[in-house]
Amino acid sequence: SQQGEEDPQALSIQEGENATMNCSYKTSINNLQWYRQNSGRGLVHLILIRSNEREKHSGRLRVTLDTSKKSSSLLITASRAADTASYFCATVTGANNLFFGTGTRLTVIP
Amino acid sequence: EPEVTQTPSHQVTQMGQEVILRCVPISNHLYFYWYRQILGQKVEFLVSFYNNEISEKSEIFDDQFSVERPDGSNFTLKIRSTKLEDSAMYFCASGRQSSYEQYFGPGTRLTVT
Repeated sequence: SQQGEEDPQALSIQEGENATMNCSYKTSINNLQWYRQNSGRGLVHLILIRSNEREKHSGRLRVTLDTSKKSSSLLITASRAADTASYFCATVTGANNLFFGTGTRLTVIP
Repeated sequence: EPEVTQTPSHQVTQMGQEVILRCVPISNHLYFYWYRQILGQKVEFLVSFYNNEISEKSEIFDDQFSVERPDGSNFTLKIRSTKLEDSAMYFCASGRQSSYEQYFGPGTRLTVT
């Protein structure tokens, strides 16, 4: 399976702290994307990093990609209670569909 | 801001019945997808659709499933004879280009009894 696996499965932090989530995958990829899902809701695209990129920033988000280790990390800086959600990595190979990981459940305590 | 919409938000059906889940993708998008998420599990790809035909489908998308874009705006997923294990959240998504970000609808919760 080429689906990603996130680590940790659950993360609980205080508001203002940074949150780091990791994703590992198995096959060569075209790009890797991170999505957020609030409980019972749809997925929201956060950021896309291409296979030839190593780091990307978007606001309080920082994503890294290490294709040699087949891993990616998502860093959320200065977390807020509203960041509480599940975060998924999804890989894209030659085809255009997403293969999602198992997700990290982030809880930010006010 | 344009968004993907899905109807109904919740569908309850009896085993063996046909269901049609409806989606209105973002209007200038060309790529359309269905995913499902069984409660507590990961989001799984079902099918992708481009240029009025299926471009890829997963093992889950067997003969009981079909998709259609009956007009310029709707994108539907039909399950011909539902099974208990079809109970899940079904998400429609659309995208401007292949392999780029996808925009997801809020989902339809399908409960098969």
